[in-house]
Amino acid sequence: LAKTTQPISMDSYEGQEVNITCSHNNIATNDYITWYQQFPSQGPRFIIQGYKTKVTNEVASLFIPADRKSSTLSLPRVSLSDTAVYYCLVGIDKLIFGTGTRLQVFP
Amino acid sequence: NAGVTQTPKFQVLKTGQSMTLQCAQDMNHNSMYWYRQDPGMGLRLIYYSASEGTTDKGEVPNGYNVSRLNKREFSLRLESAAPSQTSVYFCASSADGTANYGYTFGSGTRLTVV
Repeated sequence: LAKTTQPISMDSYEGQEVNITCSHNNIATNDYITWYQQFPSQGPRFIIQGYKTKVTNEVASLFIPADRKSSTLSLPRVSLSDTAVYYCLVGIDKLIFGTGTRLQVFP
Repeated sequence: NAGVTQTPKFQVLKTGQSMTLQCAQDMNHNSMYWYRQDPGMGLRLIYYSASEGTTDKGEVPNGYNVSRLNKREFSLRLESAAPSQTSVYFCASSADGTANYGYTFGSGTRLTVV
């Protein structure tokens, strides 16, 4: 299973764009890249998933370069409610969670 | 509301006691998973069931057993609880056993072993 590396924490202010980059050098050909969000005392919530290039939904964008060895989750114009832990996962089943990136948004 | 339901939400056990954590999903998903999350840590996979009738070990299976009772239900059993099993337990399901469409998680069971 591909291991992922992402920053432990990030700080931002309301209204800014936040980009969280995840490194996954050993990604396999069939692996998807999936990002989850977790609030305290809740289970993780699916945000976005991609295989290559760019994926966008109503919540976020996911940028994946051609070599797929990294990916960047982009959150446009964050608000206080985006304060959470964000996990980058790589694989097609038995998803393994790392420690995630703790995003703190300030007013 | 459709989703993953876990019971109980909270439980306190004495060392050596046994208990079963229940999980049910109503989305007709094939695959189900049990994770544990210790304070300040990410989730670790305990066991999973790729489809009805199959189960397999994850990262940290020791001290646990599972039963895929039917397509909807996947239970996690602690035969002899230990303080090291104090954690929050999350059940999840996915449609086709792959990462496609993502996992849906329950709200968790907070277990304390004293």
